[in-house]
Amino acid sequence: DTEVTQTPKHLVMGMTNKKSLKCEQHMGHRAMYWYKQKAKKPPELMFVYSYEKLSINESVPSRFSPECPNSSLLNLHLHALQPEDSALYLCASSQEILSSYNSPLHFGNGTRLTVT
Amino acid sequence: AQTVTQSQPEMSVQEAETVTLSCTYDTSESDYYLFWYKQPPSRQMILVIRQEAYKQQNATENRFSVNFQKAAKSFSLKISDSQLGDAAMYFCASTAWLSQGGSEKLVFGKGTKLTVNP
Repeated sequence: DTEVTQTPKHLVMGMTNKKSLKCEQHMGHRAMYWYKQKAKKPPELMFVYSYEKLSINESVPSRFSPECPNSSLLNLHLHALQPEDSALYLCASSQEILSSYNSPLHFGNGTRLTVT
Repeated sequence: AQTVTQSQPEMSVQEAETVTLSCTYDTSESDYYLFWYKQPPSRQMILVIRQEAYKQQNATENRFSVNFQKAAKSFSLKISDSQLGDAAMYFCASTAWLSQGGSEKLVFGKGTKLTVNP
C-alpha cells in the first residue's frame, strides 16, 4: 500500500476542460512534489512545496496551477491543456525539502492523464 | 548540467540469478547523493537503495547492493537471487542543487527495464 494517495487514477479531459489532480499524505511530511512522466521516460520535476509554500517551479506553463491547501494535501489544477500534456503525473512527499538522502521521496501511484 | 546515463534500456535475468544494472553520472558538485528507484507496473516509484557520495563503503539493502566508483562516476546496482517481483523499470538518480529555493532535486536516468524469467 502506498502512503501517498493520488486521485483519480485515470483522467481523460478535453482541451477546454478544467480538472484537478489530488494528492494526500498523512506521514507528517512537510515537502510535497509534482512530477510529470511521459511514456518510457524518467519523471521530470514540476513543482515543490515546502511548509505549504511554493518553493520551486521548474518553468511549468501556467495551464498547470498547483495548490497546497494544507500540509497533507496537494492539488494540481489543469486548464486548457494540450494533447502533449498527456502523461503520468506523480505526486511525492518527503520529510523535509532539503537533504534528500535523509528525507527520501515517497511517491504515489500517479494519475494517468489523457488530453483529447 | 547534471546528467545521469543508463546505457542498458532493457535487461533480463533468470529467477534466482544475479544481474547488474549500470549507471554513470556527471556532476561538478562535491557533495551529492545517489539513488536507485524501481517502478513496477503499478506505477509507483519505490526507493531501492541510496548512497552518500562521501562514503566509500558500498550501500547494501538485503539482496540489493551497489558498486560505487566515485572517480569513475559509476553507480551500478546488483540484484542477487532475483525474484519475479523484481521485474520493473529501474531508474538511477542523482541529487542536483538548485539555485531556486536553495534546495536540491533528483535528476533521473532514462531507466532500465528489467525482466525476470521463471
